[in-house]
Amino acid sequence: AQSVAQPEDQVNVAEGNPLTVKCTYSVSGNPYLFWYVQYPNRGLQFLLKYITGDNLVKGSYGFEAEFNKSQTSFHLKKPSALVSDSALYFCAVRDREAALIFGKGTTLSVSS
Amino acid sequence: DSGVTQTPKHLITATGQRVTLRCSPRSGDLSVYWYQQSLDQGLQFLIQYYNGEERAKGNILERFSAQQFPDLHSELNLSSLELGDSALYFCASSVVDNYGYTFGSGTRLTVV
Repeated sequence: AQSVAQPEDQVNVAEGNPLTVKCTYSVSGNPYLFWYVQYPNRGLQFLLKYITGDNLVKGSYGFEAEFNKSQTSFHLKKPSALVSDSALYFCAVRDREAALIFGKGTTLSVSS
Repeated sequence: DSGVTQTPKHLITATGQRVTLRCSPRSGDLSVYWYQQSLDQGLQFLIQYYNGEERAKGNILERFSAQQFPDLHSELNLSSLELGDSALYFCASSVVDNYGYTFGSGTRLTVV
């Protein structure tokens, strides 16, 4: 079965510093990977996805993610964090039937 | 507005009762997915429908059922409600095989 793991429940970073939110995956076949963000009392907003092609994927709000096949990872990154980036971040993988399977989520806290 | 409409936004009901949550997918999307988000279980995939037919099942309880109607809207029925069913229920829609998933803003269910 396809699965993703987010090893950190929380990531703390100072505003202006780079941030990384980690995700590892376990799939059979080619992985289709996604990152979503959830702000308090809101739905899930799409950030970026990796389907095929360039290992560095650029997404919304200045976020990017690096697909690493050898390490089975898909870490979310941003060069300079903003306080407004504070939210809950989910990594997800598309399973065989096209549903998204989510990790447990990582809370990002950016301090000013 | 994501284009996926969920109603109601909030629902408070008593244990043992039955409720129906409604989802209207984005125009042109044939697939609908239901998810449950709770503090202890995270984001759990429940069930997927494609053009009126059930396509995949996740961690959906037998007390829960869903259907997708000819106009493509979907309903999630939750019966014999328990306190532990209190959660945020999300609907998402997609055009299968274009790897784009759009989420609604969710229905917050509180069972008292």
